[in-house]
Amino acid sequence: AQSVAQPEDQVNVAEGNPLTVKCTYSVSGNPYLFWYVQYPNRGLQFLLKYITGDNLVKGSYGFEAEFNKSQTSFHLKKPSALVSDSALYFCAVRDITDSNYQLIWGAGTKLIIKP
Amino acid sequence: DVKVTQSSRYLVKRTGEKVFLECVQDMDHENMFWYRQDPGLGLRLIYFSYDVKMKEKGDIPEGYSVSREKKERFSLILESASTNQTSMYLCASSLLGTGSYEQYFGPGTRLTVT
Repeated sequence: AQSVAQPEDQVNVAEGNPLTVKCTYSVSGNPYLFWYVQYPNRGLQFLLKYITGDNLVKGSYGFEAEFNKSQTSFHLKKPSALVSDSALYFCAVRDITDSNYQLIWGAGTKLIIKP
Repeated sequence: DVKVTQSSRYLVKRTGEKVFLECVQDMDHENMFWYRQDPGLGLRLIYFSYDVKMKEKGDIPEGYSVSREKKERFSLILESASTNQTSMYLCASSLLGTGSYEQYFGPGTRLTVT
């Protein structure tokens, strides 16, 4: 069965430090992988995606993510955190061989950036 | 600019009431989705639609129905609201394609059933 795990409910980082939000996945075929962010009282916003090609994907607001097929991971990273990055982050996956259009979502990780 | 709008940000209904949640997108997207979001559970798909009058059940369709009479509009219906349907409801849309397209979300409707 397809699944996504975000092993940390919450990540705390000091402003200016690098941040990592972890995501691992399980699909039977090759994955499409996505990261979304949700600011308080807002809908989700797309950050970046991996479809094919370069394993390092760059997205909005200075975020990037690295696809690691052997470790089935797609961790979200940023070199220098901002207080405004504090939000809820969701990882999602779709098996490209799956005939439906569903994304499988992680439970979310709350990122708190402290000044 | 891409836009998905939902009819209400906050809604309070009584148990047993019929509830309509409306979603409109202006991007000419084929796919539309209804999710509910609960703390610690992430997003769970209720229904999705890939074309007018077409619908597919998601993971948790029980107690819900949907309607898509026009391409831009996707409605979620709670036939008889119950307290366990208190949640945040998110609508999304995307292009059809191969499933590699990102979804665009509305601001959400926080529904409370008392």
